[in-house]
This record gives sequence, structure tokens and C-alpha cells, in this order.
Amino acid sequence: GENVEQHPSTLSVQEGDSAVIKCTYSDSASNYFPWYKQELGKGPQLIIDIRSNVGEKKDQRIAVTLNKTAKHFSLHITETQPEDSAVYFCAAKSTGNQFYFGTGTSLTVIP
Amino acid sequence: KAGVTQTPRYLIKTRGQQVTLSCSPISGHRSVSWYQQTPGQGLQFLFEYFSETQRNKGNFPGRFSGRQFSNSRSEMNVSTLELGDSALYLCASSLEGNSAETQYFGPGTRLLVL
Repeated sequence: GENVEQHPSTLSVQEGDSAVIKCTYSDSASNYFPWYKQELGKGPQLIIDIRSNVGEKKDQRIAVTLNKTAKHFSLHITETQPEDSAVYFCAAKSTGNQFYFGTGTSLTVIP
Repeated sequence: KAGVTQTPRYLIKTRGQQVTLSCSPISGHRSVSWYQQTPGQGLQFLFEYFSETQRNKGNFPGRFSGRQFSNSRSEMNVSTLELGDSALYLCASSLEGNSAETQYFGPGTRLLVL
């Protein structure tokens, strides 16, 4: 099956700086890569996703890049704000219709 | 559109008991997946239901089971609870559960086994 690795596990940045979280996957058949944000006491919320026919996608301060050859994808958050503090999960979905999740990155934005 | 709802939100049980958790997907969504989330293991896939049939299953013991009703609502059951079953149980729904389709999560049910 698919194996998704996520780094770093914790990340602290100053408010206004950028944050980058990276994930790698093992199954070349994976074709959908969502990113979720989970705040304390809540379920994961989809923040951005990318499909395998696209290399980059942007939504305001959030962007995701995908390198299919290297089998890795990254989340970029620019101009970070304290409300961006949360745990972020990457995931990959292959033809088996099952999502495989990374182990999460705890992001802290220091005011 | 209302999001995915899960009931109850919190539950305390003792070892050996059984528990049933409920999930109502987003209106029109027919695929419902269940996950167990723990600090040590992260998000682990339990099973997926589509059109009242279990379509995918993760690596969990038979004590974990589920079902889906004709209105797409789903329940999961855990029998003979163990301390290690303490976790946040998340339900997620999508339209058809097909490849490259977005999945939306509910708030979860936090289960504590004493």
C-alpha cells in the first residue's frame, strides 16, 4: 500500500514569515493530494488540494506544489498569522480509493 | 449545506463494554469513511462504506465493525472495548468516494475507555 511521510513534525515561525511542510509518497499511482488543518478539539478541515495533472495550486496565502517524478508535495503558507497555528496533515489517495495520511506537523506561529 | 455531523461528541466507557458511534454525511454524499486518530498512530483508516456496502477495510480487528443505511448515514461499533481503543473517531464523507475526490471530515467522537 501507499506510505506517506511528513516533515517536520513540529515547526515554529515568527508571525509574517513563511512556513513549508513537505510530504513524500511511495505509490506512483496516487493521484490526489489534499492538505488538512486540524485545530484543537476539531476534525481536520480541508485547506487545499492538488491533483496529479497539476504542478502547483495557490489559494491566497496557501500554495501546494507537486513533483510527481520525485513523489513529493509541499504546503507553503506565506505571511503566517497566529490563527495559522494548528496541526497540518498531508494525504495521498491512490486508485484503491483509500486515503493515506502523514503523521502531522504541529505549526506554531509566534506573535 | 450542513457539514458532516457525528454523535455523540464525547463518550466514556469501561473495558469490555461496547459502543456505537453515528455519522451523518453531507447531503448527497454516498461514501462514508471512518478513521481512528491517536497521538501515537496518527490517522488510521478503519473502513469505507458506499451504497450500504463496505468497500474498503483497514487493518483493525473484527471488534471494529460498521454499517451504512439507505440514507447514507453510517454507524460504527466497537465491541469488547480495550484501553487502547481510547481515541478520536473521525467520520469523513465524499460524493462517490472515487479517486481524486475531496473528502470532508466531521468533528469526531472522542472515546475514553477506563
